[in-house]
Amino acid sequence: ETGVTQSPTHLIKTRGQQVTLRCSSQSGHNTVSWYQQALGQGPQFIFQYYREEENGRGNFPPRFSGLQFPNYSSELNVNALELDDSALYLCASSLTGSSGELFFGEGSRLTVL
Amino acid sequence: EDQVTQSPEALRLQEGESSSLNCSYTVSGLRGLFWYRQDPGKGPEFLFTLYSAGEEKEKERLKATLTKKESFLHITAPKPEDSATYLCAVNFGNEKLTFGTGTRLTIIP
Repeated sequence: ETGVTQSPTHLIKTRGQQVTLRCSSQSGHNTVSWYQQALGQGPQFIFQYYREEENGRGNFPPRFSGLQFPNYSSELNVNALELDDSALYLCASSLTGSSGELFFGEGSRLTVL
Repeated sequence: EDQVTQSPEALRLQEGESSSLNCSYTVSGLRGLFWYRQDPGKGPEFLFTLYSAGEEKEKERLKATLTKKESFLHITAPKPEDSATYLCAVNFGNEKLTFGTGTRLTIIP
């Protein structure tokens, strides 16, 4: 059973650029959620995807967008990067109905200069 | 607004010194309370799920309990490898988890 994998692990961008983060879900999991974790804070919900459709969204602007593919892998795209977007971006996979038993990847650390 | 508050922010214990971490939440339709452990630079690792007041779960030196307003994570005779940030999260009845800011636990040998 493979776990959740994310790429890249670290990246540096400049303000105004765009970034794509990728996630491969744990085998058998059909739901993927993305969270943003600023330094010293708890993770904040960005959105969730189920069967390639957005299934809920947190308080993030439209420049945060996502995709889920038929093999349940996922992408998080952020346009027009701002300094405050610097954070650890976490992908979590789960089974529908498992409510909160999320399996997280190790995250992608984004630094915006 | 649904909120989750954890205390203390940081806790330093001697090896073997037992203690408890607290997680309180606004009472508005709890659909589950979850404890996670997070090591520096890593993603959170699931520990426990609690659904109803009075419920308890145990794993090695950790025991989680739930009341109508709060949850406790009890750590008994901790070891240095228990050092981590412990996150509490609540499902208030939708697709997201609301996390607290965590308790950073340090166990001194």
